[in-house]
Amino acid sequence: QITLKESGPTLVKPTQTLTLTCSFSGFSLSTRGVGVGWVRQPPGKALDWLALIYWDDDKRYSPSLRSRLAITKDSSKNRVVLTMTNMDPVDTATYYCAREWWEQPDYWGQGTPVTVSS
Amino acid sequence: DVVMTQSPLSLPVTLGQPASISCRSSQSLVYSDGDTYLNWFHQRPGQSPRRLIYKVSNRDSGVPDRFSGSGSGTDFTLKISRVEAEDVGIYYCMQGAHWPWTFGQGTRVEIK
Repeated sequence: QITLKESGPTLVKPTQTLTLTCSFSGFSLSTRGVGVGWVRQPPGKALDWLALIYWDDDKRYSPSLRSRLAITKDSSKNRVVLTMTNMDPVDTATYYCAREWWEQPDYWGQGTPVTVSS
Repeated sequence: DVVMTQSPLSLPVTLGQPASISCRSSQSLVYSDGDTYLNWFHQRPGQSPRRLIYKVSNRDSGVPDRFSGSGSGTDFTLKISRVEAEDVGIYYCMQGAHWPWTFGQGTRVEIK
């Protein structure tokens, strides 16, 4: 059974750095074709891809947020970490991690809400 | 970025009746491997998205056969043959051919 779960702070202050962890089970990020990515959804709005990391450590970032994002993996611990710097109230959203299988997202976590406010 | 445009944005439907959602992309979604990377997701309130369809017309495991996807190039359609109460929520198309992957604005399906 494939599961993913996001964890991290629910409240961050403007200008702070957000660190989110995706813990997963049921698959390995060392397997060819596997990736894990992050998607966010502001309240009442649509979904936006943020970043992806693949089994071979290839990384992709949203061009509009590239300068603020970093994604890393620890395959031995089945974890992927996303950091986003210089947080702003417009970054308030639910953040999801999702597994990719040959570049197509299939399984998603339950999401974690993040509010940016002073 | 590839722009995904869905219509309608709101779709009131009668139980047992068919429903159809259109999705258009600003670029062809045919990848270099020849496959077309268009997915459909369903999101119920307070839940994460669930993938229904991948590569235009392939249903995910456990997805009822009343859901079907079709289309090619830049024009795609999700059809529900007979809407059931559990089908309410927001439906998103998503392209996975050009990074960054992008979603449509979403179509809210509700029961009349």
